[in-house]
Amino acid sequence: GESVGLHLPTLSVQEGDNSIINCAYSNSASDYFIWYKQESGKGPQFIIDIRSNMDKRQGQRVTVLLNKTVKHLSLQIAATQPGDSAVYFCAERRVIYGGSQGNLIFGKGTKLSVKP
Amino acid sequence: ETGVTQSPTHLIKTRGQQVTLRCSSQSGHNTVSWYQQALGQGPQFIFQYYREEENGRGNFPPRFSGLQFPNYSSELNVNALELDDSALYLCASRRQENYGYTFGSGTRLTVV
Repeated sequence: GESVGLHLPTLSVQEGDNSIINCAYSNSASDYFIWYKQESGKGPQFIIDIRSNMDKRQGQRVTVLLNKTVKHLSLQIAATQPGDSAVYFCAERRVIYGGSQGNLIFGKGTKLSVKP
Repeated sequence: ETGVTQSPTHLIKTRGQQVTLRCSSQSGHNTVSWYQQALGQGPQFIFQYYREEENGRGNFPPRFSGLQFPNYSSELNVNALELDDSALYLCASRRQENYGYTFGSGTRLTVV
């Protein structure tokens, strides 16, 4: 499949290390944030989400941190594995029409490469 | 398995032609959005449908249009194709009352 990782910032880590991927979002009114993983030739796959009334949320091997003061989002992956190699996107939900419907605004993406 | 199916997976069209891309969402997912993803970029929002009506649109010209059907399927139509329309087109669906969006694997459109 064709890579979606061209011209993207790249983070290279050793297998077993922890990875931290950062993202700056644009709209202070966004109420919901998602991290997606995208492998070559596939659509974005949900990893973890967080609402704007929280500052931290943990999943299996992943943690998302939200700093609304500086509009910053981060994804921490513990004990990174070769299967984690992909492009990672953060997305913010831009509220429209009074709050019940919103579209996602994606960041530029970071390519994670895990060295065995 | 994502539960969102897109067809076709790949498509080659000539500049000036029209194309229709299809998406089948999960049962109960009454909100569907379409995104365009150029190579090396993040997905860009095209438009969103809720209960068969468009209720949100990104910065795309009117030659990008869509339909949503009662059976949770939807279409993206693009008229007068341009070379820059070459991209991966993604469909994402959700229940209106939920936050989570489920994406399909996309249709890779190449305009020559």
